Amino acid sequence: AQKITQTQPGMFVQEKEAVTLDCTYDTSDPSYGLFWYKQPSSGEMIFLIYQGSYDQQNATEGRYSLNFQKARKSANLVISASQLGDSAMYFCAMREGRQSEKLVFGKGTKLTVNP
Amino acid sequence: DVKVTQSSRYLVKRTGEKVFLECVQDMDHENMFWYRQDPGLGLRLIYFSYDVKMKEKGDIPEGYSVSREKKERFSLILESASTNQTSMYLCASKKAGGFGNTIYFGEGSWLTVV
Repeated sequence: AQKITQTQPGMFVQEKEAVTLDCTYDTSDPSYGLFWYKQPSSGEMIFLIYQGSYDQQNATEGRYSLNFQKARKSANLVISASQLGDSAMYFCAMREGRQSEKLVFGKGTKLTVNP
Repeated sequence: DVKVTQSSRYLVKRTGEKVFLECVQDMDHENMFWYRQDPGLGLRLIYFSYDVKMKEKGDIPEGYSVSREKKERFSLILESASTNQTSMYLCASKKAGGFGNTIYFGEGSWLTVV
């Protein structure tokens, strides 16, 4: 079974609008961390935001926020006021359990911001 | 700034060749990773090293081996390259411990096996 599921292969948004990228995860461990990364066409992976399973509040970093719904096992990324430079691949990832240092990634969502 | 450097950005190798992909990090991180990225498949973990000379298989280790003789360097080895190993390879590192420790990536190595 997939640990991280990103159901949207591609998304389109108009510049200056908000967009939500979906991520659901599968774990039975109460301790885990969730990450979002951005990968522009140049290929580098850029860390965006982190949410811990015990964090009481949803994480925010500038225009990025994480809509964390623990019971639904979802960790959707919200990008507000989209910019043309936000066009990229976006990956959700999870580190599962205190004994594991590994990060497992989803298949990604390609976001295109239209002018 | 954290720096993860992958020795080659683009490589073209012949089927059956032995291929070395080198990765160096400068932040004294304990953990290092090799991922493979293919369109529609996301990033898949090949091997993981949690410390010097310590390694663990990831999800797709077949056809690959790794070496970590020094803390800063993690090498991925394709013993006998095959065309289905044509892909982008990403090296990453992070500090061990806290859940929120960010994983830092290199720029990627595009390998073509002909």
